[in-house]
Amino acid sequence: QKEVEQNSGPLSVPEGAIASLNCTYSDRGSQSFFWYRQYSGKSPELIMFIYSNGDKEDGRFTAQLNKASQYVSLLIRDSQPSDSATYLCAVTRGGGTSYGKLTFGQGTILTVHP
Amino acid sequence: ETGVTQSPTHLIKTRGQQVTLRCSSQSGHNTVSWYQQALGQGPQFIFQYYREEENGRGNFPPRFSGLQFPNYSSELNVNALELDDSALYLCASSLANYGYTFGSGTRLTVV
Repeated sequence: QKEVEQNSGPLSVPEGAIASLNCTYSDRGSQSFFWYRQYSGKSPELIMFIYSNGDKEDGRFTAQLNKASQYVSLLIRDSQPSDSATYLCAVTRGGGTSYGKLTFGQGTILTVHP
Repeated sequence: ETGVTQSPTHLIKTRGQQVTLRCSSQSGHNTVSWYQQALGQGPQFIFQYYREEENGRGNFPPRFSGLQFPNYSSELNVNALELDDSALYLCASSLANYGYTFGSGTRLTVV
């Protein structure tokens, strides 16, 4: 079992739709959860992080965390073609002042078509 | 604009050679980590430095080594390069409660 697994993708959604990206993790000691966006040939860019169970919203992005189910997701509302990228889920045992090692999933490729 | 800069951006080396990759992070970011990202995969943790000391290491052989300097810059050294070392190498620095910021990466090709 991989430590962090993401829905396999690729995921294709029409412009304006909601894109749903999912991630499960195996380490129950994980405390901090990150979503990164990576355009082709570029480095990962932090979109959101979440520490507590529930939802966290930032503009068109909502991260959802359920520690009991070891599940974290990212919703992108009103998807735009510019959202087309690989989305990486990452988890770590650390939090706050000291994050430690990030463990990444394999990424989900999202394509938003006009 | 990212506060983490890496050099060089691209590098081609021959199998068996040695390579040094460099990273410079923002003042105050006293933790730096290095990751290797193979094509189509998520980044894999190599090691982390905190206040110039290695304080975490992933499943990489000893020929991967690093340094962190007092001015927050860092190096990743890889000896005896193998073809499978071809990847994007990412440096990341962290600031408390703000997660990790990645540099633009160094694309290493071993031929």
